[in-house]
Amino acid sequence: QSALTQPPSVSGSRGQSVTISCTGTSSDIGSYDHVSWYQQPPGTAPKLVIYEVTNRPSGVPDRFSGSKSGNTAALTISGVQAEDEADYFCSSYTASTTWVFGGGTRVTVL
Amino acid sequence: QVQLVESGGGVVQPGRSLRLSCAASGFSLSCCGIHWVRQAPGKGLEWVAYIADDGSRKHYSDSMKGRFIISRDMSRNTLYAEMNSLRPEDTAVYYCGRDFTDKYSIDYWGQGTLVTVSS
Repeated sequence: QSALTQPPSVSGSRGQSVTISCTGTSSDIGSYDHVSWYQQPPGTAPKLVIYEVTNRPSGVPDRFSGSKSGNTAALTISGVQAEDEADYFCSSYTASTTWVFGGGTRVTVL
Repeated sequence: QVQLVESGGGVVQPGRSLRLSCAASGFSLSCCGIHWVRQAPGKGLEWVAYIADDGSRKHYSDSMKGRFIISRDMSRNTLYAEMNSLRPEDTAVYYCGRDFTDKYSIDYWGQGTLVTVSS
């Protein structure tokens, strides 16, 4: 199972919107709405910020939103804040009854 | 509160074995599946394995299939991962995480334990 494809980095000024794409195949993202996103600041464990494509766990700010079209999912941070600087990873359930992660995207707030 | 604590990491020679532990508190392993995810130094996350809440189903990544064996001790509420025939490329922080039931994601993560495979 190949990793999902994410851009290595994205950046934006505080208050702007940033979007991270996550491209898979018809065997994972394209077949299931089981896409999740994780935030990982340096030196810490990952934290779930989006599950089932669009849902936010309790406590996650509503500036985080998710979407999906075809084989590509996306995470948007609307009004990015300094505390959002971190690595972000997408994940999808697959037709092989396994899970696969993306390579990760570093978000930098200018 | 929900907590997962990994242990058992360390330095091991190539070809040797190592057993990791994942102690759960704040919930019972009978309620939830558990994932193992690893992260090589400076790299991304890699899903490794999953065990269902009732222990009946176990799934493994191709990279670890046959070398990574999950078991549970329900009396200790602890999960174990036996890693065999270790290779230098298995060097990573190994995390256990609680499956977010029916949501195909991980809602709680441990702090991770570092495994270094080196001669």
